[in-house]
Amino acid sequence: DADVTQTPRNRITKTGKRIMLECSQTKGHDRMYWYRQDPGLGLRLIYYSFDVKDINKGEISDGYSVSRQAQAKFSLSLESAIPNQTALYFCATSDSDALTGNTIYFGEGSWLTVV
Amino acid sequence: AQKITQTQPGMFVQEKEAVTLDCTYDTSDPSYGLFWYKQPSSGEMIFLIYQGSYDQQNATEGRYSLNFQKARKSANLVISASQLGDSAMYFCAMRRPSGGYNKLIFGAGTRLAVHP
Repeated sequence: DADVTQTPRNRITKTGKRIMLECSQTKGHDRMYWYRQDPGLGLRLIYYSFDVKDINKGEISDGYSVSRQAQAKFSLSLESAIPNQTALYFCATSDSDALTGNTIYFGEGSWLTVV
Repeated sequence: AQKITQTQPGMFVQEKEAVTLDCTYDTSDPSYGLFWYKQPSSGEMIFLIYQGSYDQQNATEGRYSLNFQKARKSANLVISASQLGDSAMYFCAMRRPSGGYNKLIFGAGTRLAVHP
């Protein structure tokens, strides 16, 4: 099983609909992140969280909200989806040690299409 | 402002040859980390290699090595003995030290095509 699991992996939704992307992790990490990927732009940070009481906006948080239901779960919501939110979304986790090597783990990605 | 620049939108290489993918970064922080990720057409992000700003030696992981030139703020990825399975998008990313969070800034990526 993957350490970081995203559901759904693929979703097509209509403009104006509410959609939730879920992320769960078995790494025991306290930091969790949501990124968005658009063609030619790499990944950009939407929201990040230290724990269930800590939620922070990233560089492109408008139109999104998040919920940290438990240490292992971090969900991303689009309250009213619009076509330019069509993208590949990644959840990631990291541990508290910022000085060592690969401490960041990505989920497999969720393809979201808004029509 | 912190920024990652990948100037090569696309590269191609002959199978078994070596290829260098360029990455330059901009930061005023003395402590930072640099990552390379591979993204095949299936979409997942695969970690390849990491270099810390205080690491004295260039990082190596199998066929991957990172040519870290701190004064020039470059962190180029070298893939030796290219294989057909290396065809993918490659992203350079920088970890920003920020209150213990591992936030990453990504470059726009380089698409590598390996030809037989």
